[in-house]
Amino acid sequence: GAVVSQHPSWVICKSGTSVKIECRSLDFQATTMFWYRQFPKQSLMLMATSNEGSKATYEQGVEKDKFLINHASLTLSTLTVTSAHPEDSSFYICSARRSGGQKETQYFGPGTRLLVL
Amino acid sequence: AQTVTQSQPEMSVQEAETVTLSCTYDTSESNYYLFWYKQPPSRQMILVIRQEAYKQQNATENRFSVNFQKAAKSFSLKISDSQLGDTAMYFCAFILAPGSQGNLIFGKGTKLSVKP
Repeated sequence: GAVVSQHPSWVICKSGTSVKIECRSLDFQATTMFWYRQFPKQSLMLMATSNEGSKATYEQGVEKDKFLINHASLTLSTLTVTSAHPEDSSFYICSARRSGGQKETQYFGPGTRLLVL
Repeated sequence: AQTVTQSQPEMSVQEAETVTLSCTYDTSESNYYLFWYKQPPSRQMILVIRQEAYKQQNATENRFSVNFQKAAKSFSLKISDSQLGDTAMYFCAFILAPGSQGNLIFGKGTKLSVKP
């Protein structure tokens, strides 16, 4: 168990449009989900922590109005990149932490490649 | 603040050989968890192995084992009988206990290439 899905797996959009990425825990409940951004050949950079039913906590330097996060249920969190620009092009990864059991372990989705033209 | 250091940006190993990836970390706390994650070319992050700091016994998962040296703050990963499918980026990560709060701290990664 502990499968996390992301949709879409890749997206190309025009500058100025908004893009929504979904992250789902398929076989467990996740009270906390995380959104990361990864640049080529680099490590993961935490963008925000999303708790079910409450506002997300953003890392320093991440624009909350730019990257809208919603965690409406125990199995779904969404990241919306608003008014996307070419510099937002990146690989976005979500992860989920179980609500029970090994709470310290995060399980990752397969990632979403975003290209903004 | 906690930090994780992976001093080997790239490594290579021949198929069927053994390789060890290094990881050191810095913390003033005594209870924490350590992880190795693998990111193959597909970019899916896969949990390889997990270690609880209060356990002296080194974690093992099939061909993967760790050498956890708490006093030295070292957490190396040994891959035995390397396979082509082990080619990936490997990230060492740390989180303070109890782990239900707080964030994973990642190292910069080691790119491992397994050669036929």
